[in-house]
Amino acid sequence: QSVLTQPPSVSAAPGQKVTISCSGSSSNIGNNYVSWYQQLPGTAPKLLIYDNNKRPSGIPDRFSGSKSGTSATLDITGLQTGDEADYHCATWDSSLSAGWVFGGGTKLTVL
Amino acid sequence: EVHLVESGGGLVQPGGSLRLSCAASGFSFSSHDMHWVRQGTGKGLEWVSAIDTAGDPHYPGSVRGRFTISRENAKNSLYLQMNSLTAGDTAMYYCVRASAGFDLWGRGTLVTVSS
Repeated sequence: QSVLTQPPSVSAAPGQKVTISCSGSSSNIGNNYVSWYQQLPGTAPKLLIYDNNKRPSGIPDRFSGSKSGTSATLDITGLQTGDEADYHCATWDSSLSAGWVFGGGTKLTVL
Repeated sequence: EVHLVESGGGLVQPGGSLRLSCAASGFSFSSHDMHWVRQGTGKGLEWVSAIDTAGDPHYPGSVRGRFTISRENAKNSLYLQMNSLTAGDTAMYYCVRASAGFDLWGRGTLVTVSS
């Protein structure tokens, strides 16, 4: 049971837009930055978004992040078959059991 | 080029111990907080431990008292000593650099706890 809640799967057609949600609480998303990671099949995760909405160099602007209250979202526009992967959100949790927490991951299928 | 390369994984019996290593290259290792993150087969990511630039460790409750993270800046190396292992510790273990987010990941080393 992950501290952050993500939908297990989402799907959309090539060229379309998809949104992946990440829901938490005031002890994590509500008061801390969120980051997002893409994990292609059989590979290690890769940083996509940090500080809620910033992209590292080399990440296309088709990927964007936002945060509102205790939820965050990752938007991917102009879907490509190469975007098919697992996507994970993460943030710091400042509750009594403080530490870094992740969502359960969302499998994106590009139909 | 920047790299993190993990080693030390393998098959270990329940109750056993294992020491993971991570060799860093291409960046100023001593200037970064470092983490271990694991992933069970078909499961999500789980933060396992962190060590800051001052050498102070941090752990989640699931491994506190069993796992020990350490670093040797002169060797650009990160370590994870894992004791009292259980089947629940079976996972791919990733060495991760923290900058703005977890911005650099190794390929991982697989730990299997089984009799």
